[in-house]
Amino acid sequence: GENVEQHPSTLSVQEGDSAVIKCTYSDSASNYFPWYKQELGKRPQLIIDIRSNVGEKKDQRIAVTLNKTAKHFSLHITETQPEDSAVYFCAARSAAGGSYIPTFGRGTSLIVHP
Amino acid sequence: NAGVTQTPKFRVLKTGQSMTLLCAQDMNHEYMYWYRQDPGMGLRLIHYSVGEGTTAKGEVPDGYNVSRLKKQNFLLGLESAAPSQTSVYFCATSRGEQFFGPGTRLTVL
Repeated sequence: GENVEQHPSTLSVQEGDSAVIKCTYSDSASNYFPWYKQELGKRPQLIIDIRSNVGEKKDQRIAVTLNKTAKHFSLHITETQPEDSAVYFCAARSAAGGSYIPTFGRGTSLIVHP
Repeated sequence: NAGVTQTPKFRVLKTGQSMTLLCAQDMNHEYMYWYRQDPGMGLRLIHYSVGEGTTAKGEVPDGYNVSRLKKQNFLLGLESAAPSQTSVYFCATSRGEQFFGPGTRLTVL
């Protein structure tokens, strides 16, 4: 089955700096890669996603890049703000076998210091 | 339009007790999932359903059972709770993007 590795587990930055979170996956059939943000005590919520036919996607201060050859994808947050502090999860999902079951990374705790 | 709801929000059980967690959705999604979240472990899939009347095992199914008798509801049961099942449980639905419920915090003493 799919295996997703996420690094780092904790990331501490100063307000205004950029933050990068990296994930690798093992199943070459995976074709959908979402990123979720989970604030303390809240539910995970989708912030951005990318499909395997696209190399990069941006939405204001966040962007995701995908390297299918190397099987890794990354989340980039620019001009970080204290409200970006949260746990971020990457996931990879394959449609192989007709089953749309994502596999999650273990999460990155991002701390943005004012 | 409530989206995805979970009941209860909190529960404390004694070892050996049983309980059922309810997930309800009004999004008409076929796929529903139960996850547990433990510190440093991410979201681990317990069971999932691809439609009414179907269920399948996920990564960590032992000690749990599920039922999907109606499309809008997905029940997670613990027949004999153990301290190792202390966790936060999230339900999710999907038709592509996943939508999560607010979670149930379960403590087993």
